[in-house]
Amino acid sequence: AQKITQTQPGMFVQEKEAVTLDCTYDTSDPSYGLFWYKQPSSGEMIFLIYQGSYDQQNATEGRYSLNFQKARKSANLVISASQLGDSAMYFCAMRFNFGNEKLTFGTGTRLTIIP
Amino acid sequence: DTGVSQNPRHKITKRGQNVTFRCDPISEHNRLYWYRQTLGQGPEFLTYFQNEAQLEKSRLLSDRFSAERPKGSFSTLEIQRTEQGDSAMYLCASSLVLAGVLETQYFGPGTRLLVL
Repeated sequence: AQKITQTQPGMFVQEKEAVTLDCTYDTSDPSYGLFWYKQPSSGEMIFLIYQGSYDQQNATEGRYSLNFQKARKSANLVISASQLGDSAMYFCAMRFNFGNEKLTFGTGTRLTIIP
Repeated sequence: DTGVSQNPRHKITKRGQNVTFRCDPISEHNRLYWYRQTLGQGPEFLTYFQNEAQLEKSRLLSDRFSAERPKGSFSTLEIQRTEQGDSAMYLCASSLVLAGVLETQYFGPGTRLLVL
């Protein structure tokens, strides 16, 4: 079974600093995808970044990058030059690349950016 | 706006009443998922459709829950005889899944249900 662990319930970061949000996962399947979503207080889940298990390079999307360490089964999200608008809940999720492709989510990290 | 939409955004109901939520996916997406999110947790999978066919239901989906996607476009999720434990955010997501291609799931804004 898939399992996602996010060990940081909350983080406070000074504006303009970089922040790393931790995510570890557990699966025996070789083919999977890892995702990060942002959930502001409005409730919508906003897709940020994706990493495939066979991808050789770490994914990047603007200020977001994913530090993928396959042997350690970790997929940490790095946000560079944080902004006040980055304050939100952040969820790590995993998907098997076959079958129903449902997402399994972690419990999330609440990030607060301090001016 | 071509994203996923959900209606209503908020619903307050009394225990025992029936409620129905609607999800309109991104137009070309063939997959539609329903998730439920309770306070302090990540979303949990409920069910999904490939076009109009409902292919899997989670054990979380009791007999009081029913979902449809009659023409392979919009979907409805109905909860009969609501209970206080049904209070949650109900999220809909859609994606395009073709042979050899798996796209990201894009979520709607959710329907927040409160059962009194």
